[in-house]
Amino acid sequence: NAGVTQTPKFQVLKTGQSMTLQCAQDMNHNSMYWYRQDPGMGLRLIYYSASEGTTDKGEVPNGYNVSRLNKREFSLRLESAAPSQTSVYFCASSAAPLGTEAFFGQGTRLTVV
Amino acid sequence: DQQVKQNSPSLSVQEGRISILNCDYTNSMFDYFLWYKKYPAEGPTFLISISSIKDKNEDGRFTVFLNKSAKHLSLHIVPSQPGDSAVYFCAASETSGTYKYIFGTGTRLKVLA
Repeated sequence: NAGVTQTPKFQVLKTGQSMTLQCAQDMNHNSMYWYRQDPGMGLRLIYYSASEGTTDKGEVPNGYNVSRLNKREFSLRLESAAPSQTSVYFCASSAAPLGTEAFFGQGTRLTVV
Repeated sequence: DQQVKQNSPSLSVQEGRISILNCDYTNSMFDYFLWYKKYPAEGPTFLISISSIKDKNEDGRFTVFLNKSAKHLSLHIVPSQPGDSAVYFCAASETSGTYKYIFGTGTRLKVLA
């Protein structure tokens, strides 16, 4: 049981380049989330999807887009990367509204130069 | 505006003693609270949670206390072990809403042998 799988694990982008971070979960969870972790800022919610076909903005959505491709997959896209988007990105899923806690992937370390 | 706050960025405790990590929140709609533990280069892992209908939840060495009137929760670890050294995040959610999890900035716990 893999849980939440994120790809890639590491990525270096040049300013202005685009990329998509992939996330898949095999726990049949309804809800999925994207967070970023920055020093001193904790984990901040970028976007979330309460169910297949729905997405909503979180605390820091600017510069990002998301797609809930199906129940398993939730991708995060940076259309034009900026140095301020250098961060560690975490995908998570939960069985909400039926479940309780969220389960996290291992993270993607993104550097924008 | 930070809805979930952890005002102590770091904490050092001797092995065998009690570790107390604190968390405050501002949104009175939050009714479910969680603690996560994070090691370097790994995703956060769920530790313990508490519903707003309770004021205490215990799981082995970990106990979470909730004071709704003060909008404050704390995590007690007794006895502390060197393997507990990690960053601890508190999180809060509204179970009647879309179940998004809002995290604090984290507290780095170091347990000294």
